Amino acid sequence: GEDVEQSLFLSVREGDSSVINCTYTDSSSTYLYWYKQEPGAGLQLLTYIFSNMDMKQDQRLTVLLNKKDKHLSLRIADTQTGDSAIYFCASGDDKIIFGKGTRLHILP
Amino acid sequence: GAVVSQHPSRVICKSGTSVKIECRSLDFQATTMFWYRQFPKQSLMLMATSNEGSKATYEQGVEKDKFLINHASLTLSTLTVTSAHPEDSSFYICSARGRQGRGTEAFFGQGTRLTVV
Repeated sequence: GEDVEQSLFLSVREGDSSVINCTYTDSSSTYLYWYKQEPGAGLQLLTYIFSNMDMKQDQRLTVLLNKKDKHLSLRIADTQTGDSAIYFCASGDDKIIFGKGTRLHILP
Repeated sequence: GAVVSQHPSRVICKSGTSVKIECRSLDFQATTMFWYRQFPKQSLMLMATSNEGSKATYEQGVEKDKFLINHASLTLSTLTVTSAHPEDSSFYICSARGRQGRGTEAFFGQGTRLTVV
C-alpha cells in the first residue's frame, strides 16, 4: 500500500527555522498536505500543495515539493513556542495517508 | 475553513458496552467521511471510508462488525464501537470531504478519546 515517511523528532531553537522532511510513495496524489496536531487535539490543516507546483509560501510556512524524488518539506520561519506540536505529512486524494508525525520541540 | 464537529470529545465506558461517536459537518455537505484511529505517539490509521447512503469501505484488518459506521445523511456519520474492550481504547478522529470530490480538502473533527475500563 501507499506509504508516507517522516522523521519522528525535531528540536529547534526559538527564532530559528524548522525544516520537516517527508517522503511519499503515491505518485498519483493530486495534493500533498501538512497537518498540525497540538496535544490532545484533532488535526488542523496547515497548508497543502498541488502536485504540479514546486513551492508554496504562506506567511511563515514554505512548502517545497520535489515530485521526481517524492520528497516534501515544510519550513517554518522564525519558529515560536506556539509552533510546538506534531506535524503530519499526508498524501492522497480519495484516502489520505498520513506519516507517523514529527514532534517539533522548541528550545529556549 | 469548514467545520466538522465530533462528539463526544471524551468517553469512558465499561468493557462489553457499546459506544457511539458522532461526526457532523456543520456548514457543508459531506459526501465522504473518513474514520481514523490514532494510537499514542503514532500516526493516524485509516479505518474506513463512507459515502453518504452507501455501506462503508473498511481497511484491511479493521473488523466491520466491531466498528459499525453509518453515514445516513450528508451531514452526519457515526462510528459505533460494539462490545468495547480495553484494547479499543484510543483516539478516534473523523474527517469529512464535500461534493467537490477527490483532491479537495478534508476537514477534521477534534477527535474522541475513548477509554474502556
